[in-house]
Amino acid sequence: GQNIDQPTEMTATEGAIVQINCTYQTSGFNGLFWYQQHAGEAPTFLSYNVLDGLEEKGRFSSFLSRSKGYSYLLLKELQMKDSASYLCAVRDLLTGGGNKLTFGTGTQLKVEL
Amino acid sequence: ETGVTQTPRHLVMGMTNKKSLKCEQHLGHNAMYWYKQSAKKPLELMFVYSLEERVENNSVPSRFSPECPNSSHLFLHLHTLQPEDSALYLCASSQVLGQGALNEQFFGPGTRLTVL
Repeated sequence: GQNIDQPTEMTATEGAIVQINCTYQTSGFNGLFWYQQHAGEAPTFLSYNVLDGLEEKGRFSSFLSRSKGYSYLLLKELQMKDSASYLCAVRDLLTGGGNKLTFGTGTQLKVEL
Repeated sequence: ETGVTQTPRHLVMGMTNKKSLKCEQHLGHNAMYWYKQSAKKPLELMFVYSLEERVENNSVPSRFSPECPNSSHLFLHLHTLQPEDSALYLCASSQVLGQGALNEQFFGPGTRLTVL
């Protein structure tokens, strides 16, 4: 089975940097995803790590350590519009094709002035 | 239409009703998914269809019945639901590619279901 842990809530200041951590214990692993979900909207893809290390994408970066079962999402130069839920998800491949994402409960980030 | 669309966006139904949720993807993908999102709980995978074949049924009660007539359309047929089934039902699609490939899932806006 899969177990994904991430903090429930975080608060940060506009312009600052925030790091959202995710730890996982899984029976299978084929990549870790981060999604952003604004209230009442669909989750949208942010980043993907399958190998150890840092992936940078503009203001967003994601890090993975497979040996530690650990990832983080780093958001720089925070903006008010970054207030959202951030979902960590571990992927496992299905033998019949497609892939299976197991999600954490999400971290609700509130950006304040 | 672009991306993944879902209809209806909101649905209120009684426990004895039968209704269907519809999902359509305009991305040329060949895998589609149903998820359930309840308050304070993680997104839960319900069903996966790959190349129009069901490849995953995540211990979902039989009152939920999926149908995938082609690679662009996915339905979730609902009957005799319970109030605890009230949730946001999200559809997603992806491409089936090799191991390690990105093939991220793209989500629709969801159907907010309330069972009275």
